[in-house]
Amino acid sequence: DSGVTQTPKHLITATGQRVTLRCSPRSGDLSVYWYQQSLDQGLQFLIQYYNGEERAKGNILERFSAQQFPDLHSELNLSSLELGDSALYFCASSAGLESTGELFFGEGSRLTVL
Amino acid sequence: GNSVTQMEGPVTLSEEAFLTINCTYTATGYPSLFWYVQYPGEGLQLLLKATKADDKGSNKGFEATYRKETTSFHLEKGSVQVSDSAVYFCALTSSASKIIFGSGTRLSIRP
Repeated sequence: DSGVTQTPKHLITATGQRVTLRCSPRSGDLSVYWYQQSLDQGLQFLIQYYNGEERAKGNILERFSAQQFPDLHSELNLSSLELGDSALYFCASSAGLESTGELFFGEGSRLTVL
Repeated sequence: GNSVTQMEGPVTLSEEAFLTINCTYTATGYPSLFWYVQYPGEGLQLLLKATKADDKGSNKGFEATYRKETTSFHLEKGSVQVSDSAVYFCALTSSASKIIFGSGTRLSIRP
């Protein structure tokens, strides 16, 4: 058990809809990262938050947004969903701002867009 | 830019066989290098790491040596088990706040 909790584990929705994925980081960790894992593109970095502030942005679409709340949990919002957004979305956390490479991953949220 | 390239899978081996999964990288400066493992139905977890040239990371019988001259960090294990079946990701730190992962190599071990 990594200590990182993600909900929901599975989500099925239709094109054009909006969903919210939730992540609770490991106790004491201030950084939260979001990754997208799809079959054909491996693990893609989306965005990082540190103590409530956005710190790094990767290949995140404009239809996607995220935030980190004062209690340090984070939410990833995906809107105007397309078939190609079907993927596993992972949240990871680390203690500090500067990553030493040691991330703790949740079990992921599997999104299926029909 | 910085990148990680690892051998494509799937890799299928018999139990007790020798394993090598190749990983090469491109990076400016002196990155730290990592192998993560993803067991079925689970998130990624750190397997081993090396933070400078010639360092050897090891864990659970797996080893990888940071080779600056060949920009490589190949994963090896002398005798694999069925329980090693998983997807393995090579990764590096490219900056203060971003980790870059390779595309992953699926490993299947036959009893």
